[in-house]
Amino acid sequence: DTAVSQTPKYLVTQMGNDKSIKCEQNLGHDTMYWYKQDSKKFLKIMFSYNNKELIINETVPNRFSPKSPDKAHLNLHINSLELGDSAVYFCASSQMRDQPQHFGDGTRLSIL
Amino acid sequence: RKEVEQDPGPFNVPEGATVAFNCTYSNSASQSFFWYRQDCRKEPKLLMSVYSSGNEDGRFTAQLNRASQYISLLIRDSKLSDSATYLCAVTRFGNEKLTFGTGTRLTIIP
Repeated sequence: DTAVSQTPKYLVTQMGNDKSIKCEQNLGHDTMYWYKQDSKKFLKIMFSYNNKELIINETVPNRFSPKSPDKAHLNLHINSLELGDSAVYFCASSQMRDQPQHFGDGTRLSIL
Repeated sequence: RKEVEQDPGPFNVPEGATVAFNCTYSNSASQSFFWYRQDCRKEPKLLMSVYSSGNEDGRFTAQLNRASQYISLLIRDSKLSDSATYLCAVTRFGNEKLTFGTGTRLTIIP
C-alpha cells in the first residue's frame, strides 16, 4: 500500500564510495522529485522529472545523477561521496507539476 | 530575502489552546500554497492546500493573503498529537519547483 517507497532507509558508507538510492511510486503520478534535508532541517529540492524528462536541476554537484527508467521510478546515484552529503534524502511525487507532493519516508545517508 | 520565510519557533502551547502561525513569501507570482506537517525523523506529510478563499479541515484553518503575501495556519483546540514541525510550501506560476520554508516547530504541552 506504500505510495512512495525509497530504499534503503538507512545508508552508512565511507567517503569516496559510490551509492544509489531507489524510489518508486504507485500513485500513477507524472512528476517525481528528489529533496535533501540537511542537519538544520532545511528541505531543498534537487531534481524533478516529469514523465521521465528532467525538468528541474538545482545547483547540485555533478556527482549526483538522477535516472528515471519510467515515470514510476526515480533513482539517485551519488559518486565519490563526501562528508557534506550526509543528510536525509526524500523522494516525492505529484500528479501534475504544481499539485501537492507525496513524500517517501526518506533515506538517511551517513558518511564516515 | 528568502523566498519563503517562517518563524522557526519553538511554539510551546498548552493543550486545548488555539495557535496560529504565518508564512511569508517574497515572489508575487507565487501560485500554489501548501501546509505540510513533519514529525521528528519522519517525512513531510501534506496537511492542507491553501486556497484563495481560505479553507478549513476540522480544527485546522488555512488562509491566504495575497496583498501582504503570506499564508496562515490556525489550529483550534490543540491536541498533544499536533506537536510537529509545520512547513509551508509555495510554487510559482510556470515553475514546478516547490519551495519550502524552514518550518515552525510546535509543541503542545499537557
